[in-house]
Amino acid sequence: KNEVEQSPQNLTAQEGEFITINCSYSVGISALHWLQQHPGGGIVSLFMLSSGKKKHGRLIATINIQEKHSSLHITASHPRDSAVYICAINFGNEKLTFGTGTRLTIIP
Amino acid sequence: EPEVTQTPSHQVTQMGQEVILRCVPISNHLYFYWYRQILGQKVEFLVSFYNNEISEKSEIFDDQFSVERPDGSNFTLKIRSTKLEDSAMYFCASSSGTVYEQYFGPGTRLTVT
Repeated sequence: KNEVEQSPQNLTAQEGEFITINCSYSVGISALHWLQQHPGGGIVSLFMLSSGKKKHGRLIATINIQEKHSSLHITASHPRDSAVYICAINFGNEKLTFGTGTRLTIIP
Repeated sequence: EPEVTQTPSHQVTQMGQEVILRCVPISNHLYFYWYRQILGQKVEFLVSFYNNEISEKSEIFDDQFSVERPDGSNFTLKIRSTKLEDSAMYFCASSSGTVYEQYFGPGTRLTVT
């Protein structure tokens, strides 16, 4: 079954800490996405990966195809990074299958 | 920068009423999607649409749901007879189809009373 597992479900950290959010899956994929959802509900795409590593500002996303695992890292975390981070996957077709999300809270 | 828009941002309706949620995808995109997120739950796929027809739909997308691209710019989701359990945030997304990247609209919060 095409499932997306995320951990942790909730993460609270102090401002400045290095954050890691994990995503794992069990079958081959076409692409993996990291999305950000703010309290108002809107979804913003952060990264799309099919291999390797991508970096944008303080955000880094990596994927290990052999281990079927991806991580999203945030360096020098800031309260404005507080949001729900969602891993979503294309399992060989166009539609996205979503993880349950990780609620991140950064305390000043 | 082009973006996906959705209207209305919030709709309140009574059980049994019909609702139409509207989306304007990015203009040169060819693939269109509806997803929903019940409060506190994960986002779920409803339907994908390409070349003026449904390309895939989930078990959720039963006979009460329909989609249409009436005029070449709008993409609509109709719920024929709303139920309490249809209360959710509904997201439209579009894709050019050359890559897997999807662009999401801001969502419509549907409340069925």
